[in-house]
Amino acid sequence: QKEVEQNSGPLSVPEGAIASLNCTYSDRGSQSFFWYRQYSGKSPELIMFIYSNGDKEDGRFTAQLNKASQYVSLLIRDSQPSDSATYLCAVPNQAGTALIFGKGTTLSVSS
Amino acid sequence: ETGVTQTPRHLVMGMTNKKSLKCEQHLGHNAMYWYKQSAKKPLELMFVYNFKEQTENNSVPSRFSPECPNSSHLFLHLHTLQPEDSALYLCASSQGPGGADTQYFGPGTRLTVL
Repeated sequence: QKEVEQNSGPLSVPEGAIASLNCTYSDRGSQSFFWYRQYSGKSPELIMFIYSNGDKEDGRFTAQLNKASQYVSLLIRDSQPSDSATYLCAVPNQAGTALIFGKGTTLSVSS
Repeated sequence: ETGVTQTPRHLVMGMTNKKSLKCEQHLGHNAMYWYKQSAKKPLELMFVYNFKEQTENNSVPSRFSPECPNSSHLFLHLHTLQPEDSALYLCASSQGPGGADTQYFGPGTRLTVL
């Protein structure tokens, strides 16, 4: 069974700083990686996904993959209080039919 | 209605009750999912339906019974639940298989079992 591990946090950063969130995965053969954001009391929403062939940048968000160490990072530049949420990392399950999620890392951005 | 909708949003039930959760997706997707989210635990996959056929049952107890009459609707029938089944139940959908396509989540049903 594939596993996804995340530090539950909370990770606290000041407004304007870079927030770095990490996720480790157990299956070296994982090909795609998803980052979801979940505000308190709300459902998860996709921020971005990357494939195993490279990093990806989208606005203030950058996802980076380190295959050798089997972790994927989400960097949030110029962090805003509105970024305060729980960030969930996910990889496809063995059958490729659904996603396996980590517990999530709670980010708190203070103004 | 847009996206993925779920009803009811909140449900309180006794252990002997029977109730159903409803999910509807308005995105034209082919796959639908039920997840359970408990405090301090990762999202747990329960069931997967692809083109209204169940493709995955993640060892879910029989007191949870899914139904998918078509690609747009998904139900979760609940019967003789336990207090530890109290959680947020999330429905999701995706265009293709969930391992390759983005999953879109509904707002969830907050279930409390007394």
